[in-house]
Amino acid sequence: SQKIEQNSEALNIQEGKTATLTCNYTNYSPAYLQWYRQDPGRGPVFLLLIRENEKEKRKERLKVTFDTTLKQSLFHITASQPADSATYLCALDGYNFNKFYFGSGTKLNVKP
Amino acid sequence: DADVTQTPRNRITKTGKRIMLECSQTKGHDRMYWYRQDPGLGLQLIYYSFDVKDINKGEISDGYSVSRQAQAKFSLSLESAIPNQTALYFCATSDSGLTEAFFGQGTRLTVV
Repeated sequence: SQKIEQNSEALNIQEGKTATLTCNYTNYSPAYLQWYRQDPGRGPVFLLLIRENEKEKRKERLKVTFDTTLKQSLFHITASQPADSATYLCALDGYNFNKFYFGSGTKLNVKP
Repeated sequence: DADVTQTPRNRITKTGKRIMLECSQTKGHDRMYWYRQDPGLGLQLIYYSFDVKDINKGEISDGYSVSRQAQAKFSLSLESAIPNQTALYFCATSDSGLTEAFFGQGTRLTVV
């Protein structure tokens, strides 16, 4: 069955540094991959989508890469701020079905 | 007003009781989903619906049922609640095709 892995340990970084989060998957060939932000007790909020034929996608301070050979996506937040502290989830989908499979998320703590 | 609204936001119920969680959306999307989230785990898909006449089981449908009353409404029922159904429940919608999901605020359900 499909498996999506995100680092369960929280990532603690200093304000102004670049945060890098990892999403690995197995037994799956997604058409695209998405990243979401989730604050405590709230629903996930969509951030970025990257398709299988795209290597990199950027939006303001966010950057996502997608390596279908390594079966891995990296999510970067540059010039991180305390307001970026949240849990970040990756989600995968495919052409044949539009179900979203989510990783368990990585909690990011940005310290001032 | 939120695009995806869930009611109730919080609910405490007793073992064996029937409970319904409701979801309505103003996005005009055909696709709707119900997920549950447990601490430290990702979002697990319970049921999904691609239109009013199309309802499908997700990964963890046992003990749950759904009803798609209209394009905008998708309800989740627990016929006989049990304590291990205590979790945070999310409804989500998406447009047809490869697009992002929009989530409701969540329903925190406690079964005692």
